[in-house]
Amino acid sequence: DTEVTQTPKHLVMGMTNKKSLKCEQHMGHRAMYWYKQKAKKPPELMFVYSYEKLSINESVPSRFSPECPNSSLLNLHLHALQPEDSALYLCASSRPGQGAREQYFGPGTRLTVT
Amino acid sequence: QKEVEQNSGPLSVPEGAIASLNCTYSDRVSQSFFWYRQYSGKSPELIMSIYSNGDKEDGRFTAQLNKASQYVSLLIRDSQPSDSATYLCAVNKNNNDMRFGAGTRLTVKP
Repeated sequence: DTEVTQTPKHLVMGMTNKKSLKCEQHMGHRAMYWYKQKAKKPPELMFVYSYEKLSINESVPSRFSPECPNSSLLNLHLHALQPEDSALYLCASSRPGQGAREQYFGPGTRLTVT
Repeated sequence: QKEVEQNSGPLSVPEGAIASLNCTYSDRVSQSFFWYRQYSGKSPELIMSIYSNGDKEDGRFTAQLNKASQYVSLLIRDSQPSDSATYLCAVNKNNNDMRFGAGTRLTVKP
């Protein structure tokens, strides 16, 4: 089973709203990721959690706040976003540590900021 | 210099032909290399991973890695219209830090 689930599939929010994106995996993976993908561009790494601890933060604005409540769940809290933050937000997971680290992606959340 | 470079295409091949996709990377300490397929409006799907020099075959797909030349490629044999997608080359620099190329858009014409 290589399934990563994400909710919601689509989200429209105003610039003053607060919303959260959710990601879940039950593959026993201990590394989880948030990526942002704009149209016709590759995914851009935002955050990495390894063993529930934030290990990489790619200088993402503070209006994006990640949270890893447990080894299966990853959230991305959104607040005071800008229209340019509209994108496909992808969650992925993998086995951490040395060696092969294939990342498996969820279906993504299509975010539109109005 | 970009960390991972791919020809953006589009690459067009006839049905049944071999499609050849290429990727170069800049960081010599990179350890793991991946090819993802992404259909329009969908998320990336892992199709191949390769870690050591040489060829790795899986069905109609063959990945090739040359660390000395910092080059990785993907061959798709007997290309089908359903192979039409954007192919993303990804390089794992260290631990969990993955970097993607811009992707090559492949069109297989019936």
